[in-house]
Amino acid sequence: DQQVKQNSPSLSVQEGRISILNCDYTNSMFDYFLWYKKYPAEGPTFLISISSIKDKNEDGRFTVFLNKSAKHLSLHIVPSQPGDSAVYFCAAAPNNAGNMLTFGGGTRLMVKP
Amino acid sequence: DAGITQSPRYKITETGRQVTLMCHQTWSHSYMFWYRQDLGHGLRLIYYSAAADITDKGEVPDGYVVSRSKTENFPLTLESATRSQTSVYFCASSVSGVANYGYTFGSGTRLTVV
Repeated sequence: DQQVKQNSPSLSVQEGRISILNCDYTNSMFDYFLWYKKYPAEGPTFLISISSIKDKNEDGRFTVFLNKSAKHLSLHIVPSQPGDSAVYFCAAAPNNAGNMLTFGGGTRLMVKP
Repeated sequence: DAGITQSPRYKITETGRQVTLMCHQTWSHSYMFWYRQDLGHGLRLIYYSAAADITDKGEVPDGYVVSRSKTENFPLTLESATRSQTSVYFCASSVSGVANYGYTFGSGTRLTVV
């Protein structure tokens, strides 16, 4: 049973508009949440993170929102750019030794010029 | 070169053959990981290592063997390759502090078992 789920396999957005990528989790022990971006033929790269003591974290065009009661987080990209076209993975980890990240299935974002 | 490197980038092997995927990192990170990426499953953890000579199973360890005799190397061996092991394999490393830095991934090895 997947503990981290990204229910939208793909998303298409017009350049300049907002992209919203969603992620749900089931394990209440998760305390840290991360987003990774992956281009074809490359490894995933770290994008932004949030801990469970916050409900929002912002870094430039990227903002992650966390709703603990709903076990839901989202990544907002504003404004979206064609270079943002990639697969985005949501990941989560509990607050204990081992740094074990559990990943979602990914969402392919396509930003159209 | 600094960073985390995987080799080979592409590999085709036959069913039943043994194959080893290599991973090398230059940061002396304590933790190293092997993930496989499959459509619909995202990234699934195969094995991980907290330090040299310490390894443990992840979510999908069956059919794989790992070793870590040196901090910088973490090879993954498929003892007898099966078609279901056709996948893209990613190695990653982490110093600590998942929240701040997450993992750093290699570029991946695309393995095809025929």
